[in-house]
Amino acid sequence: DAGVTQSPTHLIKTRGQQVTLRCSPISGHKSVSWYQQVLGQGPQFIFQYYEKEERGRGNFPDRFSARQFPNYSSELNVNALLLGDSALYLCASTPAETPVYGYTFGSGTRLTVV
Amino acid sequence: GENVEQHPSTLSVQEGDSAVIKCTYSDSASNYFPWYKQELGKGPQLIIDIRSNVGEKKDQRIAVTLNKTAKHFSLHITETQPEDSAVYFCAALSSSASKIIFGSGTRLSIRP
Repeated sequence: DAGVTQSPTHLIKTRGQQVTLRCSPISGHKSVSWYQQVLGQGPQFIFQYYEKEERGRGNFPDRFSARQFPNYSSELNVNALLLGDSALYLCASTPAETPVYGYTFGSGTRLTVV
Repeated sequence: GENVEQHPSTLSVQEGDSAVIKCTYSDSASNYFPWYKQELGKGPQLIIDIRSNVGEKKDQRIAVTLNKTAKHFSLHITETQPEDSAVYFCAALSSSASKIIFGSGTRLSIRP
């Protein structure tokens, strides 16, 4: 079975632009969470979606938004990019509504804002 | 707020020796504590976890201990091997149960 897949793997954007990152969870997993990992730090929680509804939101500005589709895949959108948005964006899926069995992470999308 | 603190930030051990990473958490309602290993260019991978009703758990060369009273938990790796070199993250499930909160990571290097 395929694991969590994320696209694209790398992305370079200019300040002020908008970006969309994509995630496909493990088959059968209905919950997707997004994390931001700045170089040298631990992942920081951005969003959790379950059954197409937002179930949790981290301390990120409204420039960050996400959605989940009927097939449980998800998109993360970031508007008005800032240099500080440069990071590895990780998607994680779980079978249950809450990550009580841990996450399975994708390999991430490396976003560079110049 | 909810917080997980991890130390040391870097750790270098001789191959075959043991490595210990320690973490503390702030939310006394946390009841699930996973550990992740992240290799270069990859996402974090769950290596072991422990729940609040258990004090210790082992899986081959890896063991985790949990002290709920002190809000401490630790990862122990015995007989370290070169492939153990990676960044390790401790984490705790938030009381809202919607997210996992990560520590800042420990870069473990195994010296040959």
